[in-house]
Amino acid sequence: NAGVTQTPKFQVLKTGQSMTLQCAQDMNHNSMYWYRQDPGMGLRLIYYSASEGTTDKGEVPNGYNVSRLNKREFSLRLESAAPSQTSVYFCASTFDGKPVGYGYTFGSGTRLTVV
Amino acid sequence: AQKITQTQPGMFVQEKEAVTLDCTYDTSDPSYGLFWYKQPSSGEMIFLIYQGSYDQQNATEGRYSLNFQKARKSANLVISASQLGDSAMYFCAMRGAGSYQLTFGKGTKLSVIP
Repeated sequence: NAGVTQTPKFQVLKTGQSMTLQCAQDMNHNSMYWYRQDPGMGLRLIYYSASEGTTDKGEVPNGYNVSRLNKREFSLRLESAAPSQTSVYFCASTFDGKPVGYGYTFGSGTRLTVV
Repeated sequence: AQKITQTQPGMFVQEKEAVTLDCTYDTSDPSYGLFWYKQPSSGEMIFLIYQGSYDQQNATEGRYSLNFQKARKSANLVISASQLGDSAMYFCAMRGAGSYQLTFGKGTKLSVIP
């Protein structure tokens, strides 16, 4: 099925461990995004990539790095996980250049717990 | 900068009744889009409805309609004939034409009572 695929769906890390969240889309979208969702906070943008080869910080980038590997894939890396990074992470994509109403497609989310 | 405010952390509605979820926004962009998403307990983000800032008519999608009042900077979601399956978190979001970012409100948890 076409869409945005995130892996893994669940992960438990110990403080200080590193991991990479993977995201891939097969809709030929040019822009991709990483959001985190915390209770009572809505979704907050971590990083985005407007096109292959470019990345930019969002609202809450500290503690994260990203890589736009190619047009399809956009990964999020936690170099040294902290309990404050316990959250649900969503990847999304869209086709910039279309009217602003062109929809965002979201992945199913990664539930990360840092202990 | 873009900002979305949802002032209702939680709401209850009787099954088959209509309910309005509030959303106000702020942006300096003259062209922008407003979105509503539904997040059921399973966690996925489901797109519901979109309203463009220059659209002359309020958007409708089945039982969902968007009450867009541009001068008041409000974009309230109206759900008619509520169903038990409507119980979920609802997020209002916006994106300016000059921005890459889709900005979300904090959400409203809707509970439909049988």
